[in-house]
Amino acid sequence: GEDVEQSLFLSVREGDSSVINCTYTDSSSTYLYWYKQEPGAGLQLLTYIFSNMDMKQDQRLTVLLNKKDKHLSLRIADTQTGDSAIYFCAETLYTGGFKTIFGAGTRLFVKA
Amino acid sequence: EPEVTQTPSHQVTQMGQEVILRCVPISNHLYFYWYRQILGQKVEFLVSFYNNEISEKSEIFDDQFSVERPDGSNFTLKIRSTKLEDSAMYFCASSGLRRTGGLGTEAFFGQGTRLTVV
Repeated sequence: GEDVEQSLFLSVREGDSSVINCTYTDSSSTYLYWYKQEPGAGLQLLTYIFSNMDMKQDQRLTVLLNKKDKHLSLRIADTQTGDSAIYFCAETLYTGGFKTIFGAGTRLFVKA
Repeated sequence: EPEVTQTPSHQVTQMGQEVILRCVPISNHLYFYWYRQILGQKVEFLVSFYNNEISEKSEIFDDQFSVERPDGSNFTLKIRSTKLEDSAMYFCASSGLRRTGGLGTEAFFGQGTRLTVV
């Protein structure tokens, strides 16, 4: 079936690196995403990776994709208190039409 | 930068009433989607729409839901007779076609409409 799993909580100290992990089950994914959601707000696309890539770096963000293990990670370098939010892993599948499946979200707490 | 816009940002409606949630996707996009997020839960796929018809829908998208692209720029989600459990944030998204490879581009999401059914 189509499922995206991620741990529910992560707590880090300000200035440390955060690594949020995600696993997915469907190998037909086209894009994999990381979205950030602050309380009461919408979905902010942080970064995405195309399924034939294995790494993407964008300023403080590094995405690693291990297609063999169906594992996606997001590393945030020099984590700041403003990074505290829920981070959703998601994959877009093509099954006759496109749809995006989301994980349950990882709540990141950044301690000053 | 192009963006998906949704209106209204917050709608309150009485149980049993019909609501229409509106979205303006990015102008050259061809695929359109609705998702919902019940408070504190994950974002769930409702429906995808391409070439003026539904291409995929989830089991949540039952007969009380319908989508329409009435005029070439708007994309709407109608809930015919709202129930308390329809209270959620509804997100619209759109994606385009890649120039090569035949696959769609990444999906861009709107900021959501918070629907409260009382």
